[in-house]
Amino acid sequence: AQTVTQSQPEMSVQEAETVTLSCTYDTSESDYYLFWYKQPPSRQMILVIRQEAYKQQNATENRFSVNFQKAAKSFSLKISDSQLGDAAMYFCAYLSQGGSEKLVFGKGTKLTVNP
Amino acid sequence: GAGVSQSPSNKVTEKGKDVELRCDPISGHTALYWYRQSLGQGLEFLIYFQGNSAPDKSGLPSDRFSAERTGGSVSTLTIQRTQQEDSAVYLCASSLVGTGGYETQYFGPGTRLLVL
Repeated sequence: AQTVTQSQPEMSVQEAETVTLSCTYDTSESDYYLFWYKQPPSRQMILVIRQEAYKQQNATENRFSVNFQKAAKSFSLKISDSQLGDAAMYFCAYLSQGGSEKLVFGKGTKLTVNP
Repeated sequence: GAGVSQSPSNKVTEKGKDVELRCDPISGHTALYWYRQSLGQGLEFLIYFQGNSAPDKSGLPSDRFSAERTGGSVSTLTIQRTQQEDSAVYLCASSLVGTGGYETQYFGPGTRLLVL
């Protein structure tokens, strides 16, 4: 079974600075998808960014980018120019290609943004 | 367009009572998922629907939990004889396809269940 590990329960960053959230995963599959979701206090899970494992190029979405290291099974999220609205829980998630459609989540990292 | 909606937003019940949680997916989304989020266990998958059938119900924690989906749209998660350990946030998500293809899962705001 696949597992996802987020080793940083909490992180903090100053407004306008850059922060990197870590995620590692364990799988024997070669094709899969990886996601970062954001969950603010409203509880709504919001997709931040996604990466297909077959793509070597790292995904980027505005201020959010990932460092995908397939061999190392690492998928970190970098947030540039942090804003107060970025404060939330961030979850890393794994999805198998084909077979089960369920997302496997890490435990989450609570990000605080200091003004 | 409208996102995934869930009702009720919060539910307080007494141990031993039955509860029903409802999920309205995004219109046209064929796949629907239920997850549970609790302090001790994090985010856990419960069940996945493709249309009205449930090819994967492996995450349902006991036979007190059941779910159905009708008309390929609304889904209801039922918990019978609730226990205190059932207290959690129940999240629903939907996606456009789920048959081995890939589509993003969009989540609702969840139902917070508290069993006294």
